[in-house]
Amino acid sequence: GDSVTQMEGPVTLSEEAFLTINCTYTATGYPSLFWYVQYPGEGLQLLLKATKADDKGSNKGFEATYRKETTSFHLEKGSVQVSDSAVYFCALSDRNSGGSNYKLTFGKGTLLTVNP
Amino acid sequence: GAVVSQHPSRVICKSGTSVKIECRSLDFQATTMFWYRQFPKKSLMLMATSNEGSKATYEQGVEKDKFLINHASLTLSTLTVTSAHPEDSSFYICSALRDWGPNEQFFGPGTRLTVL
Repeated sequence: GDSVTQMEGPVTLSEEAFLTINCTYTATGYPSLFWYVQYPGEGLQLLLKATKADDKGSNKGFEATYRKETTSFHLEKGSVQVSDSAVYFCALSDRNSGGSNYKLTFGKGTLLTVNP
Repeated sequence: GAVVSQHPSRVICKSGTSVKIECRSLDFQATTMFWYRQFPKKSLMLMATSNEGSKATYEQGVEKDKFLINHASLTLSTLTVTSAHPEDSSFYICSALRDWGPNEQFFGPGTRLTVL
């Protein structure tokens, strides 16, 4: 079945540091890939997505590139801010998994703390 | 826009009692909603897909008689944990798939259930 493996945290960085959170996936079909962010006390929010190989999703300075050859979708940001402190989830939706096109499979989440 | 609420945010109950959790899309209609369960340091696990006007579709291993789902309107889905036991203690999260516009799930803030 489908699965997502992401870097286990927690990750602690200083402000303006470079961020990478690794994410790899296993899917039977042609998945769409997502990064969600969960700020303290709030629900998950879509951060960015990519729907096919070599697509790059970007938002709020975050980027991730859909790499089919390495089955990866690593999240990066060049200069993190204190306000980026949150839990980040990598997820996929696989059209050919036999289920709904919209069902999501999540990684375990990575807690990021950015210190001033 | 695209706000999803959950009520209650926290609930503590005695073993053997039933607990109802509400998920509402506040400013959009959602024919399809999803219920997830999140264990500490683990990924969100999809429990079931809730469809307005029809029976919910449960994931493998999820007891449908234990976790009753009712999607009574285009803005409300409820999850009832029947005869709750301590092992049902968890964080329950819902999401709503907007009926129009880009296909995206909007997540509620979650409900923390503790069964004593």
